[in-house]
Amino acid sequence: DQQVKQNSPSLSVQEGRISILNCDYTNSMFDYFLWYKKYPAEGPTFLISISSIKDKNEDGRFTVFLNKSAKHLSLHIVPSQPGDSAVYFCAASESNTGNQFYFGTGTSLTVIP
Amino acid sequence: KAGVTQTPRYLIKTRGQQVTLSCSPISGHRSVSWYQQTPGQGLQFLFEYFSETQRNKGNFPGRFSGRQFSNSRSEMNVSTLELGDSALYLCASSSHTWTGGADTQYFGPGTRLTVL
Repeated sequence: DQQVKQNSPSLSVQEGRISILNCDYTNSMFDYFLWYKKYPAEGPTFLISISSIKDKNEDGRFTVFLNKSAKHLSLHIVPSQPGDSAVYFCAASESNTGNQFYFGTGTSLTVIP
Repeated sequence: KAGVTQTPRYLIKTRGQQVTLSCSPISGHRSVSWYQQTPGQGLQFLFEYFSETQRNKGNFPGRFSGRQFSNSRSEMNVSTLELGDSALYLCASSSHTWTGGADTQYFGPGTRLTVL
């Protein structure tokens, strides 16, 4: 059973506009969340994290929002750049179980110049 | 600091063989996790090691095993390979402590295993 879902397999956005990537989870015990970017033939690169004590975390062009009641998080990229084109994964963990993360299936973002 | 390294980067094996993959974590990181990535399945958690002890295990058959050495380097082994084991195997390390909450994981480039 997929506990973390990214329901949009792909997303296309014009350069300079906002990209919004969404992620839903089913386990209410998840309390730590990560976003990764992945290029083909490379390992995932960490982007940004958020713990359940916050509802927003910002790092440069990247902002992650967490809505615990809806079990939903989103990654906003503003402004989008062609170099952002990659597959984005969200991941969730129940921190008292250690470092076991559940990943979504990814959203392929294409930023059109 | 050097990142997570994995060897080899590519492997081709035949059904029934076994394979060992190696992972060297970021210096100072004691937690090492392994994931399998296949098309359409995202990353599936295999297991996590911390200070030479397996702390978590995902839902994979016993053919998948691992270990961690005193220098935190880790190996995973897959015995009696099946065609479905063809995947990208990713290793991730973190500075997570035994009693702390979850921590950011940093990934290596992966080992691409092809089973013929």
